[in-house]
Amino acid sequence: QQQVKQSPQSLIVQKGGISIINCAYENTAFDYFPWYQQFPGKGPALLIAIRPDVSEKKEGRFTISFNKSAKQFSLHIMDSQPGDSATYFCAASGTYKYIFGTGTRLKVLA
Amino acid sequence: IAGITQAPTSQILAAGRRMTLRCTQDMRHNAMYWYRQDLGLGLRLIHYSNTAGTTGKGEVPDGYSVSRANTDDFPLTLASAVPSQTSVYFCASSADYTGELFFGEGSRLTVL
Repeated sequence: QQQVKQSPQSLIVQKGGISIINCAYENTAFDYFPWYQQFPGKGPALLIAIRPDVSEKKEGRFTISFNKSAKQFSLHIMDSQPGDSATYFCAASGTYKYIFGTGTRLKVLA
Repeated sequence: IAGITQAPTSQILAAGRRMTLRCTQDMRHNAMYWYRQDLGLGLRLIHYSNTAGTTGKGEVPDGYSVSRANTDDFPLTLASAVPSQTSVYFCASSADYTGELFFGEGSRLTVL
């Protein structure tokens, strides 16, 4: 049973474009929603995170939009760059069950 | 540089053999986790520990065991390895269960 559903599985975007990745969760006990970025051969690293008391959080070119009633959240990457090419994971956390989505492989074309 | 150290980096193992993946952190984090990463399945939680002396089961615990004798170490043991356990294993830690996870570089395990 996948508690955190992520889409799309892969994404190709032109340089300067907007990349959008979506996630949906089922467990209302989750109270921390991070996004992780992973480059080949490396462990994932935290990119940006949000808690359910806010609907949006922005850090530079990266924005999380959070819809508590729909139990959905999304990552927007503005002005996408080739260096953003990586695998992105959404996650949800609560009571030590830190659960990840299946990942989105993003490729930004130069 | 402080963080998570995993060993070995990679290992080829015959089916039926016992294997322990080592994980050590020097950040004095309370919580530690083991994940396996498989293509198309993302990161799946195997076991976790919220503090020394306690452990819990994640999404895919069967065939794996863990122990947490102290704050810094969290080894993962495969008692009798099977080919379906071929994967990349990541150890992670966090100060608490709602904070940033810090990952190691991973251990690539191949079971033949």
